[in-house]
Amino acid sequence: NAGVTQTPKFRILKIGQSMTLQCTQDMNHNYMYWYRQDPGMGLKLIYYSVGAGITDKGEVPNGYNVSRSTTEDFPLRLELAAPSQTSVYFCASSYRDGQGIGGYTFGSGTRLTVV
Amino acid sequence: DAKTTQPNSMESNEEEPVHLPCNHSTISGTDYIHWYRQLPSQGPEYVIHGLTSNVNNRMASLAIAEDRKSSTLILHRATLRDAAVYYCILKAGGTSYGKLTFGQGTILTVHP
Repeated sequence: NAGVTQTPKFRILKIGQSMTLQCTQDMNHNYMYWYRQDPGMGLKLIYYSVGAGITDKGEVPNGYNVSRSTTEDFPLRLELAAPSQTSVYFCASSYRDGQGIGGYTFGSGTRLTVV
Repeated sequence: DAKTTQPNSMESNEEEPVHLPCNHSTISGTDYIHWYRQLPSQGPEYVIHGLTSNVNNRMASLAIAEDRKSSTLILHRATLRDAAVYYCILKAGGTSYGKLTFGQGTILTVHP
């Protein structure tokens, strides 16, 4: 019963580098999300997807891109990394946008540092 | 956006009930009330959610005020594993997909 799996757990990037944060879920959830959490703060929504092939911007999408080619996978792409993107990134999935049984299921996070 | 207000910290003894309060006086009619908890270096973990009626599940109970301006998460018998930061969150209904309004969270300490 894996739930939501994120890789890598930690990463250090240099300014201007790019990387992809991987996220996969095995619960057949249609809805998937990417959030960032800065120290002492709540989660800010970066992008979300309501199904394979459908994605849309959240509250803080600048500097990021996503794709959703399958129900299971929802990778987050960082282009031209900047220090402001230093954060902890969480992927989540849900049935019925969090209103179904179990609410949102979160991964364990990726801690990203841009230097 | 509607806001939530929680006490910064609370303490409990093991095997005693814990009542974690949350104020959300500007909640809208379509906002759901969610509770999550988070341990250091981990993702948030779902606890419970509701709209208008009180809710129970295997982890906790959620008591929602009749006017919906406040709610209380009830852990019936605290264990050491319940020590975490508890977030009261409003989830807008409709097409606000994934948009969660966090409170500052309550750090729950459980004493053996």
